[in-house]
Amino acid sequence: QSVLTQPPSVSAAPGQKVTISCSGSSSNIGNNYVSWYQQLPGTAPKLLIYDNNKRPSGIPDRFSGSKSGTSATLGITGLQTGDEADYYCGTWDSSLSAGDVVFGGGTKLTVL
Amino acid sequence: EVQLVESGGGLVKPGGSLRLSCAASGFTFSSYSMNWVRQAPGKGLEWVSSISSSSSYIYYADSVKGRFTISRDNAKNSLYLQMNSLRAEDTAVYYCARNSKLLHDAFDIWGQGTMVTVSS
Repeated sequence: QSVLTQPPSVSAAPGQKVTISCSGSSSNIGNNYVSWYQQLPGTAPKLLIYDNNKRPSGIPDRFSGSKSGTSATLGITGLQTGDEADYYCGTWDSSLSAGDVVFGGGTKLTVL
Repeated sequence: EVQLVESGGGLVKPGGSLRLSCAASGFTFSSYSMNWVRQAPGKGLEWVSSISSSSSYIYYADSVKGRFTISRDNAKNSLYLQMNSLRAEDTAVYYCARNSKLLHDAFDIWGQGTMVTVSS
């Protein structure tokens, strides 16, 4: 059972838009920055979004992030088959031992 | 090129020990906090441990506290994870990942991972 809650799977057609939610609490999302990671099949995770809504260099603007209260959302527009991957949200949690990092359980994106 | 390369994984019996290494290159290793994150087969990401740039601050997930020890050698640009009293549930791919203070501690660089299998 992950501290952060994500839907197990989402799907959409190529060219469409999809959103992935990440729900937490005041001890994690509510008071800390959220990051999103993309894990393509058989590869290591890759940073997609940091500081709730910022994109590292090289990440296309089709990817966006937002946060409201104790929830965060990843949005992907103009879906491509290459976007099929597992997506994880992550943040720090101050209710656990100091310095603890928590991740969501991951959401598998299928581009139909 | 900024890179992290893990090594040291393998097959070990329950109760055994293993030491993972992570070699960093392409950036000033001594300026960054580092982490170990693992992923059991078919499962999600689980943070394992973190260590500050000068080793002053060290944290562990409850699931490994007392059994795993994180350390680093800034002179060798290397991160380590000593794993003792291994259990079947420790079976996973272990990734090392860099914290970026500039990105409010997001994990901006990840290694390719090393597989640890605990089985008799």
